[in-house]
Amino acid sequence: DIQMTQFPSTLSASVGDRVTITCRASQSISSWLAWYQQKAGKVPNLLIYKASSLKSGVPSRFSGSGSGTEFTLTISSLQPNDFATYYCQQYDSYSVTFGQGTKVEF
Amino acid sequence: QVQLQQSGPGLVKPSQTLSLTCAISGDSVSSNSAAWNWIRQSPSRGIEWLGRTYYRSKWKNDYAVSVKSRITINPDMSKNLFSLRLTSVTPEDTAVYYCARGSPRELTDWGRGTPVTVSS
Repeated sequence: DIQMTQFPSTLSASVGDRVTITCRASQSISSWLAWYQQKAGKVPNLLIYKASSLKSGVPSRFSGSGSGTEFTLTISSLQPNDFATYYCQQYDSYSVTFGQGTKVEF
Repeated sequence: QVQLQQSGPGLVKPSQTLSLTCAISGDSVSSNSAAWNWIRQSPSRGIEWLGRTYYRSKWKNDYAVSVKSRITINPDMSKNLFSLRLTSVTPEDTAVYYCARGSPRELTDWGRGTPVTVSS
């Protein structure tokens, strides 16, 4: 199985900050990576797919980049609604794996 | 808009079989462009993908290595739903179970989740 290492596990930030989360794959996954946001008690919500494609309706302050084994999710200016846990997910192979998550907190 | 309605028991005894269903509205289980997934989440294991079923001229399944010997995901075209069976459960299988639609691989729509506890 492809392993996904996500860091940091926790990130302290303030409204207006630029935030970057990194996800590293144990082998190349081309651009087959998605990012999800999950708030406490809620279902994960897709933000970005194919590493850098923004899902319709997701604010443009979210962006993704990377290919191969190294990927980043950037929030250009953190808003109050963005405090949540973020997960990367690879879907290169016949199986799917998620990162351990990054909790963005105040 | 796709909606996924999960159903099934929230308590399963050790060594027994966990069974959940996911009813689909707004799409078809036999869609040639979607895949129908089961995922679980627990504090100890994080988010863990379990497997999927999808139709590409014929029915196909992919399963996570960690549960491959115990899992079955089946479509039901007559009811437009898909199901999860996980046999020989242990307390390690305690988690919130989600069904989700893949388009075809990123997970665009999720069920609300079913908390399942494995306990005698």
